[in-house]
This record gives sequence, C-alpha cells and structure tokens, in this order.
Amino acid sequence: GEDVEQSLFLSVREGDSSVINCTYTDSSSTYLYWYKQEPGAGLQLLTYIFSNMDMKQDQRLTVLLNKKDKHLSLRIADTQTGDSAIYFCAESGTGGFKTIFGAGTRLFVKA
Amino acid sequence: DGGITQSPKYLFRKEGQNVTLSCEQNLNHDAMYWYRQDPGQGLRLIYYSQIVNDFQKGDIAEGYSVSREKKESFPLTVTSAQKNPTAFYLCASRDTGTEVYGYTFGSGTRLTVV
Repeated sequence: GEDVEQSLFLSVREGDSSVINCTYTDSSSTYLYWYKQEPGAGLQLLTYIFSNMDMKQDQRLTVLLNKKDKHLSLRIADTQTGDSAIYFCAESGTGGFKTIFGAGTRLFVKA
Repeated sequence: DGGITQSPKYLFRKEGQNVTLSCEQNLNHDAMYWYRQDPGQGLRLIYYSQIVNDFQKGDIAEGYSVSREKKESFPLTVTSAQKNPTAFYLCASRDTGTEVYGYTFGSGTRLTVV
C-alpha cells in the first residue's frame, strides 16, 4: 500500500538551514504537503506542492519535489528556535479523501 | 475566528468504560476526520465523513464509533473493545470545494487509560 517515510530526528544550529526529507511510494500522488506540529498541539498546514511542480518557495520555506525519485524536501532558511517542532510529510491523490502521513521528523534547533 | 474545537484536552478512562471525544468546527467544511497519533508513528485514520449522516471506516476503526448528525460535529466514541486506547486523538476537517486538499486540525485530546 501507499507509504510515506521520513527520518525521525534532525538537529541544527540557530541561523543554519534545515533540510527535512521525505520519500513516498504512491506514483499517483497529486498533492504533497508539509505540516508542523508544536508540543501538545494539532498539526498546522505549512505549505503544499502540486505534483506537476518542481519547486515552491514561501518566505523562509522552500519545497523541492523530485517526482521521478518520489522524493520531497522542505528547506527552512535561517532556522530559529521557534521552528523546533515535528514536521510531517503527507500525500494525497485526486479528491484528497485519503491523505497518508509520514511518522514525522522532530527538528531540534540549538541556540 | 473559524476553527476546530476538540474537548476535553485531557481525558482519563477506566478499564471497561466508553468515552466520547468531542469535535466541533465552524468552518463550514463538509469533510471531517479522526486520526490517532502514537509516539514515533504517523497519523492513522480511524473514521472519516464526507457529508452529514454518512461516514466510512479508516485503517484502524475497530473499537471506535462515530456519528455525523450535524455538519459542525463529528464525535468519536472509544469503546471498551479498543484494547489499547491510550493515545493522542486529532480531529480534522477539509473544504471539499477547493483544489488544495489540506486539512485544518484541532488541538487534540490526550486519552489515558488508568
């Protein structure tokens, strides 16, 4: 079945760039998403990319999509301590009725 | 402000009890979802509803039940048949009228069996 995989932990220094990676298996994925979860809270949609795009930039966030390798990445420029959270990669097909989430990458930002 | 409200934030259940988690949204979204989150695992889909008075089982529906009598409300009951209910439960909704299918999530309910 469909699967989304991501590494569980990433540690960076404040001011550096963070790159969180994700791979997915469903070749029919139409939409790919990045969500952020702060401690004890729900998930917040950060950004998304359509499968016919290679890149999307939104302020400090850059999403890169390699559809051939089914690889998605999220780059956070000038990472701040407030960026410390769990980041979830997710994908859905057309219609979006069933979204598959990865296990989440916990980002630690050291001051 | 529009959003999703989950209550209570913390819930304790004794063995053999049924408990109901509340989820209310004022976003006028048609679709609503319940997910379970365990440490180190992704979100697992319990139930979802695309329209009032209709809902479908997700990947881990056993031991859970839902109802969708109103567009705004999608309560989840964790029954005594659910053998390992301790987890963080997240409710979400989605606007089916838009091209982007991202979810809006509530702040979650942490359920603990005592």
